[in-house]
Amino acid sequence: GAVVSQHPSRVICKSGTSVKIECRSLDFQATTMFWYRQFPKQSLMLMATSNEGSKATYEQGVEKDKFLINHASLTLSTLTVTSAHPEDSSFYICSADRGQGYGYTFGSGTRLTVV
Amino acid sequence: AQSVAQPEDQVNVAEGNPLTVKCTYSVSGNPYLFWYVQYPNRGLQFLLKYITGDNLVKGSYGFEAEFNKSQTSFHLKKPSALVSDSALYFCAVRDPSGAGSYQLTFGKGTKLSVIP
Repeated sequence: GAVVSQHPSRVICKSGTSVKIECRSLDFQATTMFWYRQFPKQSLMLMATSNEGSKATYEQGVEKDKFLINHASLTLSTLTVTSAHPEDSSFYICSADRGQGYGYTFGSGTRLTVV
Repeated sequence: AQSVAQPEDQVNVAEGNPLTVKCTYSVSGNPYLFWYVQYPNRGLQFLLKYITGDNLVKGSYGFEAEFNKSQTSFHLKKPSALVSDSALYFCAVRDPSGAGSYQLTFGKGTKLSVIP
């Protein structure tokens, strides 16, 4: 079945540094990937839609300059949290669209802790 | 705009009993509906989906859901709950005909606890 690999699963970084999270579709090509943020005991909040070869589409209220998204190939999208602050600490999840009306396949998530 | 409501924050059920996790939706067109399960500190795992066809959809791990267009519902069910079913369950909807047609909108999630 379709597999999406997300890396790292857990990262701790210092305030002011940047962190890159990778999302790879292992056995299918994904022209569209999505990045979500999940707060404790809450639902997933869509941050942005990542389109291969073009700029990401950000949801209202999401800072484009803080959350940099790159979708350079059909199997890889990256989310870089720039100049991270403690309030950026969260669980970030990516998903990839397999097309044909299938449900999206999700990565295993990344727990980011900014200290 | 599309939306999903999961009216119960938590559902408790005894092991071996049937379980239901409720979901209602709102879209302008014909919906694509999904159920996902999330275990602690993990991503979402796909359980089942309704795109078209038979209103009763069978999915992974013995789960099923029934699409009810008149009630705009897509409740998740299982005849006999297992302790290992304890997790967070999300209902999601996609409107393939609307603006932002690629986007999934999630409910807030329902925590299922199966009591031994």
